Amino acid sequence: DAGITQSPRHKVTETGTPVTLRCHQTENHRYMYWYRQDPGHGLRLIHYSYGVKDTDKGEVSDGYSVSRSKTEDFLLTLESATSSQTSVYFCAISAGAGISGYTFGSGTRLTVV
Amino acid sequence: TQLLEQSPQFLSIQEGENLTVYCNSSSVFSSLQWYRQEPGEGPVLLVTVVTGGEVKKLKRLTFQFGDARKDSSLHITAAQPGDTGLYLCAGKTGANNLFFGTGTRLTVIP
Repeated sequence: DAGITQSPRHKVTETGTPVTLRCHQTENHRYMYWYRQDPGHGLRLIHYSYGVKDTDKGEVSDGYSVSRSKTEDFLLTLESATSSQTSVYFCAISAGAGISGYTFGSGTRLTVV
Repeated sequence: TQLLEQSPQFLSIQEGENLTVYCNSSSVFSSLQWYRQEPGEGPVLLVTVVTGGEVKKLKRLTFQFGDARKDSSLHITAAQPGDTGLYLCAGKTGANNLFFGTGTRLTVIP
């Protein structure tokens, strides 16, 4: 299997607390993405990275920040978690632009109470 | 936002039956991908189609990209329980980012 891991797999946190999710890849791929998946909405892009320290916003970026200090790691931070951020979060990697497919991690189920 | 609508949302069929699921948009895509997702896991890429009118076959699965590159279909012949899952289409525009449809949840009953 492709080398992409997400941690933690499950997390319960309280409203107002900061939360960081980690995505780690061993494929040396340039592009990394964070998506959230919610019933009725499908997968929606939060942020993405096209290189070390190069990141940009997706369609649902409010309340989230990201960092990529190394090729292999892409961190997603919820600055102050809200109940609307309860979701399943997926990280994905891609070798490049064009027709490259994405390889997804197994996801992190986050519950904000 | 690039809207990709998939139909039907849910589909339950008997083993051995054929089925087609659809992915439609008003946007033109440079390429379109199909993924299958199983519970508790991330989506897994099945195929990428690039050229309008292109047809690709993957064993019992046939994928077609519309001539205008706005829509796609997935046809499964003689469905098996192992085909059960959430099927997602995803389109790319000029940028590298993928926009996903909401998916078709397929259940194949033995």
